[in-house]
Amino acid sequence: QKEVEQDPGPLSVPEGAIVSLNCTYSNSAFQYFMWYRQYSRKGPELLMYTYSSGNKEDGRFTAQVDKSSKYISLFIRDSQPSDSATYLCAMSYQAGTALIFGKGTTLSVSS
Amino acid sequence: DTAVSQTPKYLVTQMGNDKSIKCEQNLGHDTMYWYKQDSKKFLKIMFSYNNKELIINETVPNRFSPKSPDKAHLNLHINSLELGDSAVYFCASSQDAQAHQPQHFGDGTRLSIL
Repeated sequence: QKEVEQDPGPLSVPEGAIVSLNCTYSNSAFQYFMWYRQYSRKGPELLMYTYSSGNKEDGRFTAQVDKSSKYISLFIRDSQPSDSATYLCAMSYQAGTALIFGKGTTLSVSS
Repeated sequence: DTAVSQTPKYLVTQMGNDKSIKCEQNLGHDTMYWYKQDSKKFLKIMFSYNNKELIINETVPNRFSPKSPDKAHLNLHINSLELGDSAVYFCASSQDAQAHQPQHFGDGTRLSIL
């Protein structure tokens, strides 16, 4: 079993839809959880960061972490065509250790 | 004034050659990274340097050698290139090596081995 599992999609939704993206992980030592967005032929950019369990909201984006279930989610409200990209979850144990990425979910929002 | 810049953007070369990729960050960060993203888009850490000191060295063939002349630069030299080295290589930087620090990525170097 890989450390971080993420459904690669693709996921296609109409403009205005609510999108739910998810990752599961196997190692309970992970403490820091992030979501990165990657547009085609660009580097990943950080969208959301959460420490331990809980929710975090930023505009149309909400990140949730459920450590008891080893499950993290990213919700996008009122999705826009500009949200079309690959979304990568990432997590780490502690300082000086590497970020472990999921394989990414490709999202397409049609107008 | 790109924050993390990599050169070249594209690199096409033959098997067996030696090549280098350069990375520079102007964010004043202490920590820099090299990642490899394969054809299935899986992004995996290769190396990390903090203040020119190697702190992460994942299971990478020793044909790959990172060099950090100063904390704003982290170059990647690859000897005896193989077909399996074809991938996109991303450089990233963060303020320090703390796990919660966001990493800023360059736009990648697309390496194709013929």
